[in-house]
Amino acid sequence: RKEVEQDPGPFNVPEGATVAFNCTYSNSASQSFFWYRQDCRKEPKLLMSVYSSGNEDGRFTAQLNRASQYISLLIRDSKLSDSATYLCVVDEYGGSQGNLIFGKGTKLSVKP
Amino acid sequence: EPEVTQTPSHQVTQMGQEVILRCVPISNHLYFYWYRQILGQKVEFLVSFYNNEISEKSEIFDDQFSVERPDGSNFTLKIRSTKLEDSAMYFCASSPQGPSPETQYFGPGTRLLVL
Repeated sequence: RKEVEQDPGPFNVPEGATVAFNCTYSNSASQSFFWYRQDCRKEPKLLMSVYSSGNEDGRFTAQLNRASQYISLLIRDSKLSDSATYLCVVDEYGGSQGNLIFGKGTKLSVKP
Repeated sequence: EPEVTQTPSHQVTQMGQEVILRCVPISNHLYFYWYRQILGQKVEFLVSFYNNEISEKSEIFDDQFSVERPDGSNFTLKIRSTKLEDSAMYFCASSPQGPSPETQYFGPGTRLLVL
């Protein structure tokens, strides 16, 4: 069974804090990796793709370790608006079908 | 910015009734998907659709489910005889090229409640 595992949290942090989320995936055939953000009762929205070399988008940094099948997301200088559930997502068939496997998500709450 | 739309936003139905959930994908997109999310649980893949046929379906997508692209713009999910456990948020997604996990755009979802 192909799974994506995440710490459910919640992570409660003050504004300005740095917070890190981790994720492991079971399917070694997966080729595409993502972090999505989901606000309460809303659709998932793509936050960033994750590349083997690691990538950064402003305050967000994503890392991938294929050997360990491990993905991380680092958020620096947390804002109140970062409060959401962060979903770790991988493709099921190595990109050949497009189907996505979602983790259950890690809830982040940023407090003033 | 173009977006995926879904109707209705909420649907309440009695167990055993048929429901049709509607999606309008982004106009030049070629691949279409349905996902569902039971309250408090993870988003789960149901089915993918390309060139007027199902590309892939999960074990959740049993004979009670069907999909259709009845015209050039709509993409529908039908549940023939709803069960209590079908209560969930149903998300439609589309991508411009495919199969493409990188560029799936999700609609706002339809919240289905089966009583």
